[in-house]
Amino acid sequence: GAVVSQHPSRVICKSGTSVKIECRSLDFQATTMFWYRQFPKKSLMLMATSNEGSKATYEQGVEKDKFLINHASLTLSTLTVTSAHPEDSSFYICSAPGVGGHYGYTFGSGTRLTVV
Amino acid sequence: AQKITQTQPGMFVQEKEAVTLDCTYDTSDPSYGLFWYKQPSSGEMIFLIYQGSYDQQNATEGRYSLNFQKARKSANLVISASQLGDSAMYFCAMREAGGNQFYFGTGTSLTVIP
Repeated sequence: GAVVSQHPSRVICKSGTSVKIECRSLDFQATTMFWYRQFPKKSLMLMATSNEGSKATYEQGVEKDKFLINHASLTLSTLTVTSAHPEDSSFYICSAPGVGGHYGYTFGSGTRLTVV
Repeated sequence: AQKITQTQPGMFVQEKEAVTLDCTYDTSDPSYGLFWYKQPSSGEMIFLIYQGSYDQQNATEGRYSLNFQKARKSANLVISASQLGDSAMYFCAMREAGGNQFYFGTGTSLTVIP
């Protein structure tokens, strides 16, 4: 089935540095990628939608300059957390429209970001 | 208004028993899909079951079944013969045909007791 490979799974970085999270679609082309953020014991919050070849669409309240999203190809979308601060610590997960036998989305395995 | 409501923050079930996780939804789109995902502590989202708004029968996938009551706008997940490995967060979600966005509920934490 369709797989979205997300890396890294865990990252610890210092305040003020930038962190890049990659999501790659394997064996299928993802023209769209959804990026979510999840706080502990909470639901997934949609941050932005990336589309290959065009600018990402951000949800209200999400800082575009802090969370840079790039959809460089039909198989790669990246989220860069710039000048990270401890409040950016969270679980980030991507997903692409599903292919195959159901109509859901294929999710990456998530990235746990800790900013110290 | 919330698109997806899960009113049970936490549930406990005895191993081998059945458990029902509640989900209600709100939409004016006549065409939509309802999903349940399992999220273990490792974080990945595991697709469990799907129900289309026009499906006449309740969806079933192994030990998972979806009790779809369209008039009440509810889509409860039933897990039969619970196993210890079922302990996880469970999210109900909806996608409307007229849009691309996925709406998630706040989740239910299920603990299976040996």
